[in-house]
Amino acid sequence: AQSVTQLGSHVSVSEGALVLLRCNYSSSVPPYLFWYVQYPNQGLQLLLKYTSAATLVKGINGFEAEFKKSETSFHLTKPSAHMSDAAEYFCAVSDGSGNTGKLIFGQGTTLQVKP
Amino acid sequence: DTAVSQTPKYLVTQMGNDKSIKCEQNLGHDTMYWYKQDSKKFLKIMFSYNNKELIINETVPNRFSPKSPDKAHLNLHINSLELGDSAVYFCASRRQGVPDGYTFGSGTRLTVV
Repeated sequence: AQSVTQLGSHVSVSEGALVLLRCNYSSSVPPYLFWYVQYPNQGLQLLLKYTSAATLVKGINGFEAEFKKSETSFHLTKPSAHMSDAAEYFCAVSDGSGNTGKLIFGQGTTLQVKP
Repeated sequence: DTAVSQTPKYLVTQMGNDKSIKCEQNLGHDTMYWYKQDSKKFLKIMFSYNNKELIINETVPNRFSPKSPDKAHLNLHINSLELGDSAVYFCASRRQGVPDGYTFGSGTRLTVV
């Protein structure tokens, strides 16, 4: 069975500071990993995804994540936070299996950006 | 526009009513999903259909009945609505064999009063 754990339900950073959102996964097969962002009262937007190609994945809005198999982690980072980054962030894992391929989501992390 | 579209976007209804949420995708995908996001923002899969066949049913109450008339549509009917059904419901689709190509709808916010 697959699972995702996001460490820290709330993260607060100052504008311009480094953003680090933590995600650890569990999977018995090579995983596909995703980060989604959800702005207030909006849907899910894909930030980036890992699909067994490069371990360092670059996404939209300056975000990137590094897949570390030895640590079973897929942490999301951004060098300099912007006020517009304030949102809910979800890490998700899929086994990519042929028919089902369901996404398993983490609990979410609320990112607060202080001026 | 190519997309996953859900209707309605907002739904307010009384306890005990029956309601439906519709989802349509024009991406040519053959697998569709319903996810529920609860008040704590936790996202959990409910159902999945592949080519009109139910392939995932995640211990959802029988009051919830998905229906897929064709592979482009996946509707969700809910009987005897309860307060706890209040949530945001997301539809998603994917092409089988493309494990990373999920597309989500914008969600339906259901409020049961």
